Amino acid sequence: GAVVSQHPSWVICKSGTSVKIECRSLDFQATTMFWYRQFPKQSLMLMATSNEGSKATYEQGVEKDKFLINHASLTLSTLTVTSAHPEDSSFYICSARKGYTEAFFGQGTRLTVV
Amino acid sequence: AQSVSQHNHHVILSEAASLELGCNYSYGGTVNLFWYVQYPGQHLQLLLKYFSGDPLVKGIKGFEAEFIKSKFSFNLRKPSVQWSDTAEYFCAVTKGGGSQGNLIFGKGTKLSVKP
Repeated sequence: GAVVSQHPSWVICKSGTSVKIECRSLDFQATTMFWYRQFPKQSLMLMATSNEGSKATYEQGVEKDKFLINHASLTLSTLTVTSAHPEDSSFYICSARKGYTEAFFGQGTRLTVV
Repeated sequence: AQSVSQHNHHVILSEAASLELGCNYSYGGTVNLFWYVQYPGQHLQLLLKYFSGDPLVKGIKGFEAEFIKSKFSFNLRKPSVQWSDTAEYFCAVTKGGGSQGNLIFGKGTKLSVKP
């Protein structure tokens, strides 16, 4: 199967700082990448969908100014959590779609804001 | 709006026991259905998927799932579990029929298999 790499796997940052998470499709070109957030014992919640070269589409309730998404190439999308606060602490997962239906997932990034 | 419901939050089985994890979805149109597995410390991996055709789908590692349209269900089964099946299992749905809809996930079921 295709490989999606997410970096870093975990990060601890101070409240008020910004954190960037990278998502790369290593062996295929992904026209669409998705960013999810997972709370403990909860489902993966879709935050936004990004298409290469265009603005991301955010789900209702997700602050686009806080969660900046850039999809600069067919193999790289980044999520920047700006001015992070403790309530932003969560597990963030990206996925990249190959074709129209199947998606491949990164290993996730555990963000802790202290 | 679409939703996916997984009935069990945590299932505990002994090795060799049979497994069935429930999944129901709410969308009334054509759907694509997926089961993903997340082993401890690893990323989500696709176990199996249903797009069309035979409603009984066989996946990797001996897993299978049956799509029952009348019940809006896509339950995951395995006749005999192993300790290595300990993981979290997620059911997901996306709109089918060529649509590029996004995956909607259930809350997941944690499976613990006792050796």
